[in-house]
Amino acid sequence: EIVMTQSPATLSVSPGERATLSCRASQSVSSNLAWYQQKPGQAPRLLIYGASTRATGIPARFSGSGSGTEFTLTISSLQSEDFAVYYCQQYNNWPPLYSFGQGTKLEIK
Amino acid sequence: EVQLVESGGGLVKPGGSLRLSCAASGFTFSSYSMNWVRQAPGKGLEWVSSISSSSSYIYYADSVKGRFTISRDNAKNSLYLQMNSLRAEDTAVYYCARVQLERLRGAFDIWGQGTMVTVSS
Repeated sequence: EIVMTQSPATLSVSPGERATLSCRASQSVSSNLAWYQQKPGQAPRLLIYGASTRATGIPARFSGSGSGTEFTLTISSLQSEDFAVYYCQQYNNWPPLYSFGQGTKLEIK
Repeated sequence: EVQLVESGGGLVKPGGSLRLSCAASGFTFSSYSMNWVRQAPGKGLEWVSSISSSSSYIYYADSVKGRFTISRDNAKNSLYLQMNSLRAEDTAVYYCARVQLERLRGAFDIWGQGTMVTVSS
């Protein structure tokens, strides 16, 4: 089983500043890594797939990087609507036994 | 509009059964692998089960293996999760989610709004 570990658990950032979220895999997942955003009472929304490709309709201020075991989600200039919980997910396994990180809560400083 | 709508959640006693449904619309359902993902109250996301487009490949998380059964009816554009021998720790919002790009595995690009399952006596 591949274990995904996100850090920090909570990140406090002011609007307009940059946020950097980290995700580590217990073994290499190549670039088969996705990031999701979830707001209270809503379903998760796909932000990034293939470690660095933005999903349809996702603003350019969201960017992903990394490969292997270390990944980063960067939000370049935080907007009020960006404060949410973010999850990483690996989909490298075959058979497809997916795993998510425990989440990073991005809160307003 | 591409959409997934779950139904069938509710309150059930420990040891009981429940069947969840997920109705798909706005896309060619039969071309996509599908998944169930759950989220316990105040907790993170947990993948539960996946099924390929033609039902040839089916997989489960260890936590539900032997108790849950995933299935689909492509003629009805529907995904199902039969949940038996339910436990308190199965209490969660259950989401259905589509694998993007008509692949066997991949990121989940479309999610339903979720249906709540509560297991309690």
